Formats: sequence, C-alpha cells, structure tokens
Amino acid sequence: GAGVSQSPSNKVTEKGKDVELRCDPISGHTALYWYRQSLGQGLEFLIYFQGNSAPDKSGLPSDRFSAERTGGSVSTLTIQRTQQEDSAVYLCASSFRAGGLTDTQYFGPGTRLTVL
Amino acid sequence: DAKTTQPTSMDCAEGRAANLPCNHSTISGNEYVYWYRQIHSQGPQYIIHGLKNNETNEMASLIITEDRKSSTLILPHATLRDTAVYYCIVRPGTSGTYKYIFGTGTRLKVLA
Repeated sequence: GAGVSQSPSNKVTEKGKDVELRCDPISGHTALYWYRQSLGQGLEFLIYFQGNSAPDKSGLPSDRFSAERTGGSVSTLTIQRTQQEDSAVYLCASSFRAGGLTDTQYFGPGTRLTVL
Repeated sequence: DAKTTQPTSMDCAEGRAANLPCNHSTISGNEYVYWYRQIHSQGPQYIIHGLKNNETNEMASLIITEDRKSSTLILPHATLRDTAVYYCIVRPGTSGTYKYIFGTGTRLKVLA
C-alpha cells in the first residue's frame, strides 16, 4: 500500500513567518512520529502521537513548535515565528502502534524547510 | 544519547558483500537492534531488526553476536544504489518506549 506522505516537499519562508508541515501516515497506523534532521546532523526526535494524543512533547525545541493530529490520521507540525535555526528536513514516521514489541517505524520523504 | 557506535565511513566494491559493524556493548536483554539506511535526500528506510537470533530478509542479513554486544549488517551483493548512511539503533522492546535515538551512522560508498 501507500507509504507515509509529507507535504510540501520543500518550503522556503522568511524569518518570522509561520509554517505548517503535513504528514499523512500509512493507513491503519495508530502511531505517528515527527523527527528533525539539520544539515549534516543526525535525526532528532520531536514528538509522537498515539491516536490523537501526544503523550510526550519533550522533544519540541521551543514553544514556537506545536503539532496536532485529528481523526487519528493526518498530523500537522506548526512552527510559529520561524527562525533561521529552524531550517532542517522535517521527517514524519508512522507505526502500527507505539512501543510495541517490534514497533517498526516507516518514514516519509521529509519536508525540507529553509528559513531566509 | 545513542547507545550504538559505528564507523564513520566504509567503502565497498560493487558486487561484493558489504559488512557494516555496530557496537552496542550496553544493550539490555529486552532491547532490539534495528537497522535503517538513508539515501541522500530521502527519509530513512527500514532494513531489518533482531533480538538475539540472526535474521535475513530480501534486503540484508543481520548477525548478532552471542553476547549481543555487537552486530553486523550484511548486504550480500552491494550495488551502487546501496550507497547511503546506515544507522544501527537499539531500542527496548517494551511498551511505552517509542522513539528512535539515531547516532551518526556509517556512510557506505559502493564503488564501481
């Protein structure tokens, strides 16, 4: 079936603007994860959802970052008042359910955000 | 912090086996070893995972040492398309543990 999809694939914005990044998980997957990968760096966990609730938001770097998930499916990551250090590839992953014995996460292609 | 150590980079000749090592000396009994790879400008791709037995699928084989302190991912016949960064991840296999902690991975270059 279809994999995880993300949109847009690329986003260029000006410093101070708000942006919304979208993730559409694999059908039937109840868990959804957001990660961030800055240039030349490893992947950094941001937040995960089990259903519509986000039990752990501790990876969000500041209160300018928020995420929501509705209907147990699509999720939106919002960054308010973007800063240049927010430039990165934002990756979404989904899994059948969070924290299962072999909870394999499948990743989308990412959204490359550039803040000018 | 990542619980794994991998070489920064490796080269492999096309058609030969690529053996990528991973050290996870502090692994606990219920922790799984996962391997992902990331081809340039793409999201990480799942390859294989295991607990203590060796595993094989259509992409690769995973060999875990008896003491589970290290493992090796084997790509049996590497192709140019296998050039990527390979990540070894250790995660607990118990409920409530959900996030992957990625290290810096091994940059594999397959040479023609």
